[in-house]
Amino acid sequence: GAVVSQHPSWVICKSGTSVKIECRSLDFQATTMFWYRQFPKQSLMLMATSNEGSKATYEQGVEKDKFLINHASLTLSTLTVTSAHPEDSSFYICSASFGGRSSYEQYFGPGTRLTVT
Amino acid sequence: SQKIEQNSEALNIQEGKTATLTCNYTNYSPAYLQWYRQDPGRGPVFLLLIRENEKEKRKERLKVTFDTTLKQSLFHITASQPADSATYLCALSNNDMRFGAGTRLTVKP
Repeated sequence: GAVVSQHPSWVICKSGTSVKIECRSLDFQATTMFWYRQFPKQSLMLMATSNEGSKATYEQGVEKDKFLINHASLTLSTLTVTSAHPEDSSFYICSASFGGRSSYEQYFGPGTRLTVT
Repeated sequence: SQKIEQNSEALNIQEGKTATLTCNYTNYSPAYLQWYRQDPGRGPVFLLLIRENEKEKRKERLKVTFDTTLKQSLFHITASQPADSATYLCALSNNDMRFGAGTRLTVKP
């Protein structure tokens, strides 16, 4: 149980274009979904937290107009990287939780490798 | 500022031995501490969660200790196997969750 999927698993796009990444909880309803970014050999950095039906909470330094998050249902959240640039190239990972923002097990998706050329 | 440090970037051990990974933190009071396994190009997989009022937790060949005085958690894998080779992340939770950079464990046959 507690399976989270992400789509696509990898994507290459040109600078200036937008890319949408989907995160789905397959066998449970996720109260909260999280979006992380991970650069090589570095820690996961939390970008934003989203609850179904409400606006996402962004971490300091993360541009909400650049990284659009939509959490339309209890099983689906999307991250759209708008006007992507090469420095946005990274490994994006979502996770889902039964509980709120803190202190619960998070179930992670397999990640999406974004390369912006 | 809050810091989470995992003892070393990489740890190599022989199959059958016990692997011990360390997670130290400063300027943080976590209610929970979690350990995850991450394989290359994959998302983390949850292993164990330990609460601040718990000293030790076990799950099969895994054991986690949590010392809030020392601000340290130790993660042990006994009878290690090559399949245990991966990066192990500790994560601290209070009002949010923060990850360490991870320790890459290699178990040699």
